[in-house]
Amino acid sequence: GAVVSQHPSRVICKSGTSVKIECRSLDFQATTMFWYRQFPKQSLMLMATSNEGSKATYEQGVEKDKFLINHASLTLSTLTVTSAHPEDSSFYICSGGQGAKDTQYFGPGTRLTVL
Amino acid sequence: GDSVTQMEGPVTLSEEAFLTINCTYTATGYPSLFWYVQYPGEGLQLLLKATKADDKGSNKGFEATYRKETTSFHLEKGSVQVSDSAVYFCALNDMRFGAGTRLTVKP
Repeated sequence: GAVVSQHPSRVICKSGTSVKIECRSLDFQATTMFWYRQFPKQSLMLMATSNEGSKATYEQGVEKDKFLINHASLTLSTLTVTSAHPEDSSFYICSGGQGAKDTQYFGPGTRLTVL
Repeated sequence: GDSVTQMEGPVTLSEEAFLTINCTYTATGYPSLFWYVQYPGEGLQLLLKATKADDKGSNKGFEATYRKETTSFHLEKGSVQVSDSAVYFCALNDMRFGAGTRLTVKP
């Protein structure tokens, strides 16, 4: 099956710094990628939808200036958490597919810890 | 807006027991429906899907039927194995996920 990678798998940063998380589709072109947060023992919360070459669509309550998403190519989307705070600590997951209604292939996730 | 309501669990079963995880949805139009599974230490992966009413998705002994009249997509397996222990998520095609159900199967 299709593979999506995420980098880094874990990151620890100081409060106030910015962190970039990469999501790559390794063997297919992902016209749409999704970013999620997953809290311990909870479900995935959709943060935003990114389409290659256009601006991301953010879910209600997600700060677009804090969570910057760039989908510059069909195989790479990045999520930058700007001015991170401890409450941003979470598990961030991306997924990619051929379109919004297509099967999604998920990355393994990135554990962000903000001190 | 669109939403998914899923039996939260946790669910603990003995090997070879019958499994049902309930999932109902609220959506406009005719969404595609998915079950994803997350094994310990791994990312989510598609288990099965159905794209229109009365479709039955199946994989690895799991089945789910898209019931438009009851807006449901319940997951079933006739005989679970220890290796089925995981978290199961019901989802709509707009990436709305249910709360997830943790299944533990004991030998």
